[in-house]
Amino acid sequence: AQSVAQPEDQVNVAEGNPLTVKCTYSVSGNPYLFWYVQYPNRGLQFLLKYITGDNLVKGSYGFEAEFNKSQTSFHLKKPSALVSDSALYFCAVSFNTDKLIFGTGTRLQVFP
Amino acid sequence: DGGITQSPKYLFRKEGQNVTLSCEQNLNHDAMYWYRQDPGQGLRLIYYSQIVNDFQKGDIAEGYSVSREKKESFPLTVTSAQKNPTAFYLCASSHRERNEQFFGPGTRLTVL
Repeated sequence: AQSVAQPEDQVNVAEGNPLTVKCTYSVSGNPYLFWYVQYPNRGLQFLLKYITGDNLVKGSYGFEAEFNKSQTSFHLKKPSALVSDSALYFCAVSFNTDKLIFGTGTRLQVFP
Repeated sequence: DGGITQSPKYLFRKEGQNVTLSCEQNLNHDAMYWYRQDPGQGLRLIYYSQIVNDFQKGDIAEGYSVSREKKESFPLTVTSAQKNPTAFYLCASSHRERNEQFFGPGTRLTVL
């Protein structure tokens, strides 16, 4: 069965430090992978996606994600965190369909 | 939140009443989706539609109904059969070949 796991409910990082939000997936074949961000009481905003090609994907607001097929992971990264990055982050996967399967979300807290 | 609007932003309902949540998009997207978001559970798919006059059940369709009479509109009705309807409801749309979904701002439904 297709599934997405975000193993950390919350990630805490100091402003200026690098951040990583983890995502692993269980999908047969070649998945499409996505990251979204959600601010309080708002809809989700698309950050980036991986479909094929370069394993390092760059997205909005300085975020990037690395696709690792052998580890079935798609971790979200940023070299230098900002307080304004504090939000709820969702990883999602699709296998050649119009449907997305979402992880349970990771709350990122960036401290000044 | 792109070209997707949801109304109302907040909705209060008495037990036993049906309510309809509005979702409109001007992105000319073929596919539209309804999700339910509960704390700690991520997003769960209620219904989706890939074309006008056609829709499919998602993972938690019981107690909900939809229609897709126009490409730009995908209203969701929460019926009295839904046992625990209090949640944050998100509508999304996508261009089928690109997979990333664009979300509306959400409707928070509270049953009194």
